[in-house]
Amino acid sequence: GAVVSQHPSRVICKSGTSVKIECRSLDFQATTMFWYRQFPKQSLMLMATSNEGSKATYEQGVEKDKFLINHASLTLSTLTVTSAHPEDSSFYICSTFRGTRSNEQFFGPGTRLTVL
Amino acid sequence: GQNIDQPTEMTATEGAIVQINCTYQTSGFNGLFWYQQHAGEAPTFLSYNVLDGLEEKGRFSSFLSRSKGYSYLLLKELQMKDSASYLCAVSDSNYQLIWGAGTKLIIKP
Repeated sequence: GAVVSQHPSRVICKSGTSVKIECRSLDFQATTMFWYRQFPKQSLMLMATSNEGSKATYEQGVEKDKFLINHASLTLSTLTVTSAHPEDSSFYICSTFRGTRSNEQFFGPGTRLTVL
Repeated sequence: GQNIDQPTEMTATEGAIVQINCTYQTSGFNGLFWYQQHAGEAPTFLSYNVLDGLEEKGRFSSFLSRSKGYSYLLLKELQMKDSASYLCAVSDSNYQLIWGAGTKLIIKP
């Protein structure tokens, strides 16, 4: 069964609004969560690494003030896209390690964001 | 720099065998992963190789040669549901996954 849940699965919003995406680990603690973005027909792009209780580490070129990450508990990380614009429309996916297999990442089902 | 190369697209026939290659150049190596991703869905884990050789799991097998920086994913007895993108990813010295662009596999009847 699923080990990582993500909500919402789809969201459509107007330009300028903020959207929050939740990523939860099910039945296990996730001290580290990864947030990816994937544009159509492209591979996954790591946006940031979220660590419980500390500030997230952002990849080069990712605006930390635009993509706010909060990892307040061992089972929940949130990504907030602030003042969204049409170019932010993408597939956002979170993942984490479960620890049962070396380095294997388990992915959430993803969130399709469309900004009008 | 770090680089993962895999073919953009491949076509195969239902019931046949297909091999998807992946070459990599990374700073450090802590294993290579293959993931399957259907359109509009998140990737799902297929295999993990950290030592040289072949890992077999049902219809899917994955091979690794660390000295050559090379891996392949072998799919046997292809089914229509195997139509998907196959992503090669390498865990580098910081245990961060470096992703290939993915290979879109098209299965024809």
